[in-house]
Amino acid sequence: GAVVSQHPSWVICKSGTSVKIECRSLDFQATTMFWYRQFPKQSLMLMATSNEGSKATYEQGVEKDKFLINHASLTLSTLTVTSAHPEDSSFYICSAHQGEQETQYFGPGTRLLVL
Amino acid sequence: GDSVTQMEGPVTLSEEAFLTINCTYTATGYPSLFWYVQYPGEGLQLLLKATKADDKGSNKGFEATYRKETTSFHLEKGSVQVSDSAVYFCALSGGQGFSFIFGKGTRLLVKP
Repeated sequence: GAVVSQHPSWVICKSGTSVKIECRSLDFQATTMFWYRQFPKQSLMLMATSNEGSKATYEQGVEKDKFLINHASLTLSTLTVTSAHPEDSSFYICSAHQGEQETQYFGPGTRLLVL
Repeated sequence: GDSVTQMEGPVTLSEEAFLTINCTYTATGYPSLFWYVQYPGEGLQLLLKATKADDKGSNKGFEATYRKETTSFHLEKGSVQVSDSAVYFCALSGGQGFSFIFGKGTRLLVKP
């Protein structure tokens, strides 16, 4: 099946620094990738939809200047948390949509802890 | 708007017990329905899916039937194992850009 990777799997950073998370589709081309955020024991909250070669579409309430998304190729999307603060600590999960199929394939997630 | 409602957990079962996790949805169109499973500390894995009414998705002993008349997609397994302990998410897709709507998740704990 389709494989999506994320890097890093864990990151601890100081408040005020920026953190970049990569999401790669390893064996297929993903025209659309999604970024989710998950708080402990809660469901996934869609943050933004990332389309290759165009600007990301952000969900209501998500700051686009805070969470920068770049989808430079059909296999890579990046999420940069700028000037991270402790409240940004969360589990960030990406998913990739393959071709005409509706199924989304999820990455293993990146746990961010901001001190 | 579209939504997914799952039974609240946690669901605690003994090994080899029968499992049902209820999921109902509301949608304006004809969505595809999915069950994803999340093991501790990991991302989501697709468990099964159904794309139209009366379709049955099945995988690893789990199954769910797309019931349009009751707008439901209940997850069942005849005999659970300890290794099935995880959080299960029901989801629908059908909106623009294939975006998903997830239920809140149901935590399953299977005891030996």
